[in-house]
Amino acid sequence: QLQLQESGPGLVKPSETLSLTCTVSGGSISSSSYYWGWIRQPPGKGLEWIGSIYYSGSTYYNPSLKSRVTISVDTSKNQFSLKLSSVTAADTAVYYCARHAQADFQHWGQGTLVTVSS
Amino acid sequence: QSALTQPASVSGSPGQSITISCTGTSSDVGGYNYVSWYQQHPGKAPKLMIYDVSNRPSGVSNRFSGSKSGNTASLTISGLQAEDEADYYCSSYTSSSTLDYVFGTGTKVTVL
Repeated sequence: QLQLQESGPGLVKPSETLSLTCTVSGGSISSSSYYWGWIRQPPGKGLEWIGSIYYSGSTYYNPSLKSRVTISVDTSKNQFSLKLSSVTAADTAVYYCARHAQADFQHWGQGTLVTVSS
Repeated sequence: QSALTQPASVSGSPGQSITISCTGTSSDVGGYNYVSWYQQHPGKAPKLMIYDVSNRPSGVSNRFSGSKSGNTASLTISGLQAEDEADYYCSSYTSSSTLDYVFGTGTKVTVL
């Protein structure tokens, strides 16, 4: 059974870079035809797609975050990662990693809360 | 890229049917058959309930169904049960040149 688990600091200072890793178990991150994505949810608010990486390494980002986002994959560790630079309080959210085919985010991690505060 | 519009809340009694709407534009909901719906209980990750407008993943109750007309997609829950009380979000693919997704504003479903 495919499982995803987010990890990383729960507290990041303003203007610094948020870094999270998603570890995949029960399946290979190199599986063809799947994307590996990041979605976030500010406290009490809705979901926002941040970006995704294809198994081949191609990356796709939300236009509103594109200038600050980098998603990468480490196939040797079966992990993919998110970096979000120049964070502000508006980036405080629960960050989820997920696997999707086209538009169906079927497998999600449990989510990790990242707070941006000095 | 604006969020898709959903009603803030919908309620119904056990056994009833309710419908949640998700309104977008011809650039997202109306332009592609890539609308999905997610159920989220408090403190939990979203769960995929419907994909590609009307398909149910394995294990999802057939009480959940999806449809689309023009720029509006809909999720119908029939035979409402207490466990259906949750937040529901729609999502749509929204670009022909690259990968891009937009989520809805979310709907709180209350079982009376």
